Amino acid sequence: SQQGEEDPQALSIQEGENATMNCSYKTSINNLQWYRQNSGRGLVHLILIRSNEREKHSGRLRVTLDTSKKSSSLLITASRAADTASYFCATDANDYKLSFGAGTTVTVRA
Amino acid sequence: EPEVTQTPSHQVTQMGQEVILRCVPISNHLYFYWYRQILGQKVEFLVSFYNNEISEKSEIFDDQFSVERPDGSNFTLKIRSTKLEDSAMYFCASSLRTGGGETQYFGPGTRLLVL
Repeated sequence: SQQGEEDPQALSIQEGENATMNCSYKTSINNLQWYRQNSGRGLVHLILIRSNEREKHSGRLRVTLDTSKKSSSLLITASRAADTASYFCATDANDYKLSFGAGTTVTVRA
Repeated sequence: EPEVTQTPSHQVTQMGQEVILRCVPISNHLYFYWYRQILGQKVEFLVSFYNNEISEKSEIFDDQFSVERPDGSNFTLKIRSTKLEDSAMYFCASSLRTGGGETQYFGPGTRLLVL
């Protein structure tokens, strides 16, 4: 399986702090995507990074990808209470499906 | 901004009953997917669909499951005879193309409870 695995499983931070979570996967990918899920709700796409990219930014989000280590990280800077959610990485090997990890649950304390 | 929509948002059914979950993908997208998430677990791929055919399906997608694009806008998942273990959140997704950097956009999900 090439499923992504996130680390840590849970993260609790103070508002204004940065949150970093990591994702590891097993096989070659075309791209890696990060999604957010608020409790019991749908999956919101955050950012996609292609296999030939090393870093990407979107607002307060920064994603890195190291294909040699088969890992990615998601950094949320200056966190807000509204960032409280579960974050999932999903890998795409161009085989018509995304493989999701178990997610990191982030709690931002006011 | 265009989005994927799903109906119903919640469905409760009795074991053994048939259910049909409906999705309207983003209008110019060509690839369609169903995923499910059992409470507290990972999101799991069920099936992908392109050009009126299944492109790939997982081990979960057995003979009890079927998908259909009955018209130009809807994409449905049918579970023929529901089991207790089919209780989950079911997500529909669509993308313009597959692989090579195409984002899959997910709908809000249908929460299915089988009693």
